[in-house]
Amino acid sequence: GAVVSQHPSWVICKSGTSVKIECRSLDFQATTMFWYRQFPKQSLMLMATSNEGSKATYEQGVEKDKFLINHASLTLSTLTVTSAHPEDSSFYICSVRSSYEQYFGPGTRLTVT
Amino acid sequence: EDQVTQSPEALRLQEGESSSLNCSYTVSGLRGLFWYRQDPGKGPEFLFTLYSAGEEKEKERLKATLTKKESFLHITAPKPEDSATYLCAVHITGNQFYFGTGTSLTVIP
Repeated sequence: GAVVSQHPSWVICKSGTSVKIECRSLDFQATTMFWYRQFPKQSLMLMATSNEGSKATYEQGVEKDKFLINHASLTLSTLTVTSAHPEDSSFYICSVRSSYEQYFGPGTRLTVT
Repeated sequence: EDQVTQSPEALRLQEGESSSLNCSYTVSGLRGLFWYRQDPGKGPEFLFTLYSAGEEKEKERLKATLTKKESFLHITAPKPEDSATYLCAVHITGNQFYFGTGTSLTVIP
């Protein structure tokens, strides 16, 4: 299966600042990557689909201007949480899909103080 | 409306006590059903994919089965290291994935 990495694995930032999270597909060229958010004891919620070389597709209720996604290459997608607030604290996970299968990164824990 | 439901929400087993986790789904156009294991603070780890009713897959102490309405993840003689949250997800026509809320499994030595 595909190997996916994320950086950083955890980050603490102050309210009002921006944070960038990287997702890399290490052994698979991904034209599409996916960003999920997971709150404690809840399942994964798809935030957006990252498309290489074009704009991301956001799920209903996800603010495009707050969660900026850039997919500049076949192996790298970034999620920037702009003007972060405590309610943005969550576990952010990216994934890639190979045919019908989906592989996840290790996740990034974001805490906004 | 497409839906995925997992039960129970939480399960505590004694080491060696076999049991099953359930994933029920009501979706149109099922392309595949996936089982993942998720440890605290980690991303989901892929376990199995099932594509058609009647299909079964095994890996060590885990066995996944699929019918037209549900999937079971059977755990035989579990060990403490099997403690984790087990997620199921369905892949449907239109390339959508829907996740269940998971079953938190605790295996007591």
